[in-house]
Amino acid sequence: AQKITQTQPGMFVQEKEAVTLDCTYDTSDQSYGLFWYKQPSSGEMIFLIYQGSYDEQNATEGRYSLNFQKARKSANLVISASQLGDSAMYFCAMRELGNQFYFGTGTSLTVIP
Amino acid sequence: DTGVSQDPRHKITKRGQNVTFRCDPISEHNRLYWYRQTLGQGPEFLTYFQNEAQLEKSRLLSDRFSAERPKGSFSTLEIQRTEQGDSAMYLCASSPGQGLIPNPTDTQYFGPGTRLTVL
Repeated sequence: AQKITQTQPGMFVQEKEAVTLDCTYDTSDQSYGLFWYKQPSSGEMIFLIYQGSYDEQNATEGRYSLNFQKARKSANLVISASQLGDSAMYFCAMRELGNQFYFGTGTSLTVIP
Repeated sequence: DTGVSQDPRHKITKRGQNVTFRCDPISEHNRLYWYRQTLGQGPEFLTYFQNEAQLEKSRLLSDRFSAERPKGSFSTLEIQRTEQGDSAMYLCASSPGQGLIPNPTDTQYFGPGTRLTVL
């Protein structure tokens, strides 16, 4: 079974609108961390936001927020007020009790002017 | 504040040749990771160092691959007898994290990657 599933290969959003990128995860650990990264066409992975499994509140970082639904094992990324510079690949990742990180296959986001 | 650096950024080699990549993590970061990323996929974990100790290796890391982090600072990844299937982006990341329990210090900071093309 896949540890991280991102079911949206590609998404489009109008500039200034909000968009939600889906991520579901699979783990039997009680303690885990969830991450979102952005990868522009230049290739470098940029950290966006972190959510711990015991965090009671959804994480927020500027225009990024993480909609964490533990029972559903989902950790969706919400980008508000999309900008042209948000066009990129977005990856969801997880660390369990161990040293490996698991990444999803990514969602390509295109912001339309 | 310097980030993670990788050298070279691009490498073209012929099948059967050996290649070596270097990664310089953020100073004082204890952990260093190597990943491989192919087109249309997310990064795949290869190996991980806690300081100079290589603590975990993926099954993806065949005998032709070897990684070192001799003084707990920079790391090298060597691929011997390269094959066309080795063509990929090789990413390095570092984090300050300590301990087994996941926490925010696990956040990894990535370098720009080394793109390998095997002809």
